[in-house]
Amino acid sequence: EVHLVESGGGFVQPGRSLRLSCAASGFTFDDYAMHWVRQVPGKGLEWVSGISWNSDSIGYADSVKGRFTISRDNAKNSLYLQMNSLRAEDTALYYCAKDMEAVLSFGLDSWGQGTLVTVSS
Amino acid sequence: QSALTQPASVSGSPGQSITISCTGTSSDVGSYNLVSWYQQHPGQAPKLMIYEGSKRPSGVSNRFSGSKSDNTASLTISGLQAEDEADYYCCSYARSTTFGVFGGGTKLTVL
Repeated sequence: EVHLVESGGGFVQPGRSLRLSCAASGFTFDDYAMHWVRQVPGKGLEWVSGISWNSDSIGYADSVKGRFTISRDNAKNSLYLQMNSLRAEDTALYYCAKDMEAVLSFGLDSWGQGTLVTVSS
Repeated sequence: QSALTQPASVSGSPGQSITISCTGTSSDVGSYNLVSWYQQHPGQAPKLMIYEGSKRPSGVSNRFSGSKSDNTASLTISGLQAEDEADYYCCSYARSTTFGVFGGGTKLTVL
């Protein structure tokens, strides 16, 4: 069974940094692309970033480009999101999601339960 | 990258069929068959219902179907059931360095 567990969320002041992690199990991690998707409580889903199986293909939403960096460590079955220069509008529940393909196909067939990031002074 | 356009809400009675539209542009929905649909119940993570425009993952009811015409994708749910009441989101690959975009979401109410 696929299991995705996010961690690293918390309360942080504007302008500071935070690193999210996603521990994956139950599947061959380096066979699939991975994504981060966020959701402000009570609002809609927003795709944040995605990374192909070998990290050759990476994309970011315009709202985080230049501030967030996605990465993966296939040896550790882990996905990361380095978030710098955080803003109040980055406050959200951040989900880690598995793609159905090795490249970014946007068929996100497994999701974690999310980690909450709150940016406030 | 603008979000895909979905109706804010739709409703239907048990047993009826409803369709949720998802309108994009020639840079996303119109150019690629990489539209997916997600169901989200309150307090839960999203669940994949349709991928690559019209394919159903294993375990998803055949009451759910997807289609596309030009820049608009659609999700149809037939034989509505009370458990279908949820929020539904479309998502598409986008031809840019951004790569991905979601719709704003549609709240389905089963009357």
